[in-house]
Amino acid sequence: ETGVTQSPTHLIKTRGQQVTLRCSSQSGHNTVSWYQQALGQGPQFIFQYYREEENGRGNFPPRFSGLQFPNYSSELNVNALELDDSALYLCASSLGGSQETQYFGPGTRLLVL
Amino acid sequence: GNSVTQMEGPVTLSEEAFLTINCTYTATGYPSLFWYVQYPGEGLQLLLKATKADDKGSNKGFEATYRKETTSFHLEKGSVQVSDSAVYFCALMENQGAQKLVFGQGTRLTINP
Repeated sequence: ETGVTQSPTHLIKTRGQQVTLRCSSQSGHNTVSWYQQALGQGPQFIFQYYREEENGRGNFPPRFSGLQFPNYSSELNVNALELDDSALYLCASSLGGSQETQYFGPGTRLLVL
Repeated sequence: GNSVTQMEGPVTLSEEAFLTINCTYTATGYPSLFWYVQYPGEGLQLLLKATKADDKGSNKGFEATYRKETTSFHLEKGSVQVSDSAVYFCALMENQGAQKLVFGQGTRLTINP
């Protein structure tokens, strides 16, 4: 069974640029959630995709957007990068359903200069 | 809204000491509760979970009991090892639309030989 994978592992961008982060879900999982973890803090929920539809969003501006593909892999796009977007971005996959455990990938560390 | 509060860190113990990391939550209803662990430079790994009151989650010598009366989910281990050094996150799962994890701020644990 393949776990959750994310790419790239590290990324450096400058303010105002755009970035795309990628996530492959665990085999059999149809739900992907994205979280932002700033240094020294707990992860914060960005949004969740279930069967290619966004079904929930946290307190993040519209410049954070996403996609889920038919194979349930997912992308997180961030436009007009700001310095505060520097963080570890975590993807988690799960089976669709109430109270299902989310399994996390290793994360993408983004640095915005 | 729902929230999770963890004991302030960092926590430093000697090998074979007893560990407790306190976690309390505020939530409507009875959410599932989780402990995740994050080793340096890595993503989150599920440590244990409990889905209803009085359930005990356990894994790798760690235990936590879902206490509805005190809205707590304290993490314990009888004898810690150097390899347990990591950051520990307590979390609850909201189920209003998306299945969203709400995390505490994390507790950094260091075990000295």
